[in-house]
Amino acid sequence: GQQLNQSPQSMFIQEGEDVSMNCTSSSIFNTWLWYKQDPGEGPVLLIALYKAGELTSNGRLTAQFGITRKDSFLNISASIPSDVGIYFCAGLVSGGSNYKLTFGKGTLLTVNP
Amino acid sequence: DTGVSQDPRHKITKRGQNVTFRCDPISEHNRLYWYRQTLGQGPEFLTYFQNEAQLEKSRLLSDRFSAERPKGSFSTLEIQRTEQGDSAMYLCASSFVDTYEQYFGPGTRLTVT
Repeated sequence: GQQLNQSPQSMFIQEGEDVSMNCTSSSIFNTWLWYKQDPGEGPVLLIALYKAGELTSNGRLTAQFGITRKDSFLNISASIPSDVGIYFCAGLVSGGSNYKLTFGKGTLLTVNP
Repeated sequence: DTGVSQDPRHKITKRGQNVTFRCDPISEHNRLYWYRQTLGQGPEFLTYFQNEAQLEKSRLLSDRFSAERPKGSFSTLEIQRTEQGDSAMYLCASSFVDTYEQYFGPGTRLTVT
């Protein structure tokens, strides 16, 4: 089945630093979504990407849909303590009645103030 | 609050008991999804509805699991004869028709003792 590999698994950074994480797959996806999850809560949608090569920003977050359609990247600039959490990528192969998201295992981000 | 809501937030049950969870999607969202998340993993797709129709079910959804969305609004997920392996966070999400952006609720944490 489809699998998404996220890296790194975890990151420890200082407040103010920039962060990069990525997600790769052996399969092609038509849509990439990035979510953030706090402990005990559901994932919150951060950014959606629909087109290969697309670069989309949401405040300090920037995400890119890889040209090969098999990867995606998320950058966070000038990190702050509330950026702490688990970041998940999710891919979707759209078409027909397929609307199920395939998730990676997440990147745990810790920000030291 | 116009987000996805789930009830209960936490459920502790003994092995062999039946449990039922409820999800209220964002109003006007036609699609409703159920996912399961275990510790250290991303959410895994279980099933989804478009209005009242259940259009896809994962192999993860054994015959002990049943989901309904009788009036095309709220949905219930029932697990019969619970097993310890059913312990997980059960997440509900919803979306508009023809969009791929899924919005998640806070989840129901199930613990089977």
